[in-house]
This record gives sequence, C-alpha cells and structure tokens, in this order.
Amino acid sequence: AQRVTQPEKLLSVFKGAPVELKCNYSYSGSPELFWYVQYSRQRLQLLLRHISRESIKGFTADLNKGETSFHLKKPFAQEEDSAMYYCALSGAGSYQLTFGKGTKLSVIP
Amino acid sequence: GAGVSQSPSNKVTEKGKDVELRCDPISGHTALYWYRQSLGQGLEFLIYFQGNSAPDKSGLPSDRFSAERTGGSVSTLTIQRTQQEDSAVYLCASAKPGINTGELFFGEGSRLTVL
Repeated sequence: AQRVTQPEKLLSVFKGAPVELKCNYSYSGSPELFWYVQYSRQRLQLLLRHISRESIKGFTADLNKGETSFHLKKPFAQEEDSAMYYCALSGAGSYQLTFGKGTKLSVIP
Repeated sequence: GAGVSQSPSNKVTEKGKDVELRCDPISGHTALYWYRQSLGQGLEFLIYFQGNSAPDKSGLPSDRFSAERTGGSVSTLTIQRTQQEDSAVYLCASAKPGINTGELFFGEGSRLTVL
C-alpha cells in the first residue's frame, strides 16, 4: 500500500521568510514523488516532480529515501505562493497517483 | 478544448436521488481519473480508465458509485441513491498516453451537495 502524509493542515509564514512544506511517504518499491498546487479559484496543477530535479517558482524538493520524505522548500516566500499544496506519490510505472491531505500555505504580507 | 471540462460545476440534490457527473478530457489523453475532494480529506482516488477500460475500480466507495467511459473520451460518474456523505468536489483528470510522468491535468471539478 502507498501512503502520503502531510502533517500540517495550515502553515502561515511572513513574506520573505523561508518555507518548508513537509511530506512523508510510505511505499515498498521505488517511488516517484510530486508536488501539486491549487491556487484560489484555479485548477489543481503539477508544480514539480522529483525525477526532474527542477526548480519551479523558486520551489525545490529533494527526495530523501532514508527518511522517506519529499519536503517542499522555498528560501523566500512571496504572497502569490499562498495556495493549497498537495504531495503525491506514484509507484514506478504505476498509473495510480496517491495524494496527501494537503497543506494550506498562507503568506502574510 | 483547452483543458479538462467537467459538468455540472455545481449540483444540489436531495438525499436518495441519482446524479451524473460528466468529464470531457483533453483530446488525445488516453488515461482518465476520478478523484473526490472532501474538506480535510485531501484527494481520494476513485477510479482510473485506460481507454474505455477501468482496470482499477477499487477506490469506488460503494456499489452506489459507477463510472463509464465511451469512445476513449467522455466519462460519466454516476452516484445512485445519494447520501449526505457523498457531498464533495468530484475532480476529473486526464493524462497523456505513454510512460507515466505523474502529470495529471485536472478539471475544475463538480461540487455536489446532498441535502
């Protein structure tokens, strides 16, 4: 079974402060991890995937297999980062994408 | 179309009634997913289609839920004898054929309220 845990329902930070959204997973095989974001009144969309090792909108995430974590980080939060963030997991070659319950990020001006 | 289209965007129904939710995926996307988004529960996987086939229906909460896909395109999620706990946003997503990249393209959802 695969499971994704996002321990924080809500995270509030001041503009310019660092952000870390936590994600832990449980999966026996080789996982593929993703972060999705949903801005207010917009569709859920892919933010980044670990396999690409990319930085999108200043966000990065490193897969730590030892700690089974895939935390999302940004050094300086912006107001436009306020959104709902979902961590998701897929088994290699699997169709199923399992989502966490999400963390609402609120950036205080 | 430009993206995944879902209808209706909002549906209010009485307990015990049947409802149908429709999803129009992006043209050429062979994979289609239904998820349910409830307050505080995140996204709950319901069913996955590859073409017209649904290899995994295990996420459907009960036998009141069913889904079909025709012509490898439009999908309909049907909920029979709705209950108040069925109230949620039902999200449809589609994905390109080929190697699973994990990139799902979501619709705006159908918000179902059961009174």
